[in-house]
Amino acid sequence: EVQLVESGGGLVQPGGSLRLSCAASGFTVSSNYMNWVRQAPGKGLEWVSVIYSGGSTYYADSVKGRFTISRDNSKNTVYLQMSSLRSEDTAVYYCAAAGSSVAAASHWGQGTLVTVSA
Amino acid sequence: DIQMTQSPSSLSASVGDRVTITCRTSQSISTYLNWYQQKPGKAPNLLMYATSNLQSGVPSRFSGSGSGTYFTLTISSLQSEDFATYYCQQSYTTPYTFGQGTKLEIK
Repeated sequence: EVQLVESGGGLVQPGGSLRLSCAASGFTVSSNYMNWVRQAPGKGLEWVSVIYSGGSTYYADSVKGRFTISRDNSKNTVYLQMSSLRSEDTAVYYCAAAGSSVAAASHWGQGTLVTVSA
Repeated sequence: DIQMTQSPSSLSASVGDRVTITCRTSQSISTYLNWYQQKPGKAPNLLMYATSNLQSGVPSRFSGSGSGTYFTLTISSLQSEDFATYYCQQSYTTPYTFGQGTKLEIK
């Protein structure tokens, strides 16, 4: 069974840093496009970042230069390192796996809440 | 970046109704358009990929069509479990932008 489990969310002060983890089971992260998608309270979905099977990474303009996506193939885990956090980064962060053919996210984690507040 | 415009933003309908949600993009994305359903407090669920391909396990009352810049998601006969929020997403190029969502409510 395919499963994605996010962790690492919590309360952080503006300007602080946090690292989210997404542990996968039932499939190999390095063979898929692994995405981070976020959802601010009461708002819609916002795509954040992707790491392709080949290792290329891409970011939304809103997080470029502040967030870094990476993966550890030995742990079958994807990470999102977030720095210079702002109040507008407050959201539930979802990890989502997509096949490489059309990049549709077919498997999602349960989400982890990041709250940026003083 | 490719802009996504969904309509309507909200929709009130009854069980058994046929409903259509539209998604327009600011530039052509061929058929790289996906649809997701999200229920309160839950992660999104992929319904349709590449415009018209039904994800495994999704009921056949859902269908999708379109190409270029205009796409639709149709539910042929609404069931109670279909009341949720629906999002389109383009996967043609990064950033993989989402529409703003369509909240489907019970009339």
